[in-house]
Amino acid sequence: GAVVSQHPSRVICKSGTSVKIECRSLDFQATTMFWYRQFPKKSLMLMATSNEGSKATYEQGVEKDKFLINHASLTLSTLTVTSAHPEDSSFYICSALQGAGQPQHFGDGTRLSIL
Amino acid sequence: GQQLNQSPQSMFIQEGEDVSMNCTSSSIFNTWLWYKQDPGEGPVLLIALYKAGELTSNGRLTAQFGITRKDSFLNISASIPSDVGIYFCAGDESNFGNEKLTFGTGTRLTIIP
Repeated sequence: GAVVSQHPSRVICKSGTSVKIECRSLDFQATTMFWYRQFPKKSLMLMATSNEGSKATYEQGVEKDKFLINHASLTLSTLTVTSAHPEDSSFYICSALQGAGQPQHFGDGTRLSIL
Repeated sequence: GQQLNQSPQSMFIQEGEDVSMNCTSSSIFNTWLWYKQDPGEGPVLLIALYKAGELTSNGRLTAQFGITRKDSFLNISASIPSDVGIYFCAGDESNFGNEKLTFGTGTRLTIIP
């Protein structure tokens, strides 16, 4: 089946650090990937849609300069949390589209903790 | 952002019992999806529904896409310990579930020993 891999699975860093999270589709090409954020015991909230070779589309209220998204290839999208602060601590999950008529497949998430 | 209302929020059941949960929306969706999320992991797709009125099964799971396109339910029969987790519905305005997903508030299932 379609496999989506996220790396790292967990990261702890100091306030002010920038953190990069990778999302890879391992056995298929994904022209579109999505980035979600999930707070403890809450639902997933879409942050942005990442399209290969073009700028990401951000949801209302999501700071594009804070959450930089790059989708440089058909199998890799990255989310960089710039100058992270404790309030950015969350579970970040990506998903990738396998193709037309196929639903999204999700990665296992990255737990980000900012001290 | 918009969220779908899921109920119940949590369920405590005994092994072997049947489970039913539903999801409602004020907006119409063309695709309904049901996911299960285990702690510290991403959601895993259980069932996808693409047509109003559609009833689809996946093993012990059965889900239906409401006629109004504003609701969906998920049933689990004869629950087993590995069914424990959080279940999310998700709606998509597209016909294939391949565009922006709006997630429900989740139903946490716990099995009492």
